[in-house]
Amino acid sequence: DIQMTQSPFTLSASVGDRVTITCRASQSISAWLAWYQQKPGKAPKLLIYDASTLASGVPSRFSGSASGTEFTLTISSLQPDDFATYYCQQYNSYSTFGQGTKVEIK
Amino acid sequence: QVQLQESGPGLVKPSETLSLTCTVSGGSISGYYWSWIRQPPGKGLEWIGYIYYSGSTNYNPSLKSRVTISLDTSKNQFSLKLSSVTAADTAVYYCARAVGGRAVAGLAHWGQGTLVTVSS
Repeated sequence: DIQMTQSPFTLSASVGDRVTITCRASQSISAWLAWYQQKPGKAPKLLIYDASTLASGVPSRFSGSASGTEFTLTISSLQPDDFATYYCQQYNSYSTFGQGTKVEIK
Repeated sequence: QVQLQESGPGLVKPSETLSLTCTVSGGSISGYYWSWIRQPPGKGLEWIGYIYYSGSTNYNPSLKSRVTISLDTSKNQFSLKLSSVTAADTAVYYCARAVGGRAVAGLAHWGQGTLVTVSS
């Protein structure tokens, strides 16, 4: 099965910072990757799918990119509402999620 | 806008079967794939499986022997059964639907989640 390794586990940042979260697949998954944001007690919210397609209603400060088996979620200018946990999800073979990255206030 | 709502017992005894239902409103079950995902307290997300409106299913290999997902189109509902549960199955269980007619590619619509605790 395909393993998804996210880094970092925790990230401390300030409002306005550019933030990058990485997800590495254990084998090729083409561009079959999504990113989610989750806040405590809430369901995940879809941000990006197919590695770089912005989901409906998601602010343009969120973007996704891919290089081989490494995928990146970038927040261009961190906003107060962005402090949350972020997950990647592969759907090339069945589906698996990364372990999550918690973005905290610095 | 499609909405999903999970329902079912919040407490299940070890070795018994966990049963949950997801009711879909604001749209039809037809034409889409419907998924179950779970999240143990304080941990990450785990995909359980999905069902297509035609009735075909696909399950996480690690859970396949214990999982059954079914649907009732007349009620616009789909259901999850997980047998022989243990404490490791304690989690918030979510139902979800992907964008467009995709299987699990981009789960855009989620229920609020329901906590199921396995305990005697």
